[in-house]
Amino acid sequence: NAGVMQNPRHLVRRRGQEARLRCSPMKGHSHVYWYRQLPEEGLKFMVYLQKENIIDESGMPKERFSAEFPKEGPSILRIQQVVRGDSAAYFCASSRQENTEAFFGQGTRLTVV
Amino acid sequence: AQSVTQLDSHVSVSEGTPVLLRCNYSSSYSPSLFWYVQHPNKGLQLLLKYTSAATLVKGINGFEAEFKKSETSFHLTKPSAHMSDAAEYFCVVTTNTGNQFYFGTGTSLTVIP
Repeated sequence: NAGVMQNPRHLVRRRGQEARLRCSPMKGHSHVYWYRQLPEEGLKFMVYLQKENIIDESGMPKERFSAEFPKEGPSILRIQQVVRGDSAAYFCASSRQENTEAFFGQGTRLTVV
Repeated sequence: AQSVTQLDSHVSVSEGTPVLLRCNYSSSYSPSLFWYVQHPNKGLQLLLKYTSAATLVKGINGFEAEFKKSETSFHLTKPSAHMSDAAEYFCVVTTNTGNQFYFGTGTSLTVIP
């Protein structure tokens, strides 16, 4: 059973481009969480999804950011028109149920130049 | 409301000496608490979790943590530090529904040979 898979591991984008970050949860996990880790800071919650539904997006910026978790395929975190301040590590986690431990991917490190 | 405070941003210990990483939490409900470790350029790995069973929780790699409700603390300890323990450690609390994990800002552990 592979762990949570995130790709790409590293992503470089120019200002104004779009960034797409992918997360495949562990087998049997239907809950996905996205977190952002800015330099020298802890992880900040962005969004919580179950299959085809956004449950809680209270941590997601209102502009330019969106997330989905389709019935088939990985969860996608999409950042449109990236700016330098979007440079961070983005972690995805999955869990089998609510209130059980989450397993984290290795993260995608986004650099905006 | 849920939150976590990690009292030390950096901790340095000598190899073979005890480790203490401090964490205080705030939760409106009976919390579930976790410690995660993040090695450089790696994803987060679960060290241990507390979910209202025994208050002293044993984790991997010789780590343990004690849930103290009266002190709202969940400090992480290890009797003898190893060089491989050098990493970033995150204390985490979840909501009673488990759909958000609240992270502390992390404690960077340095182990001196």
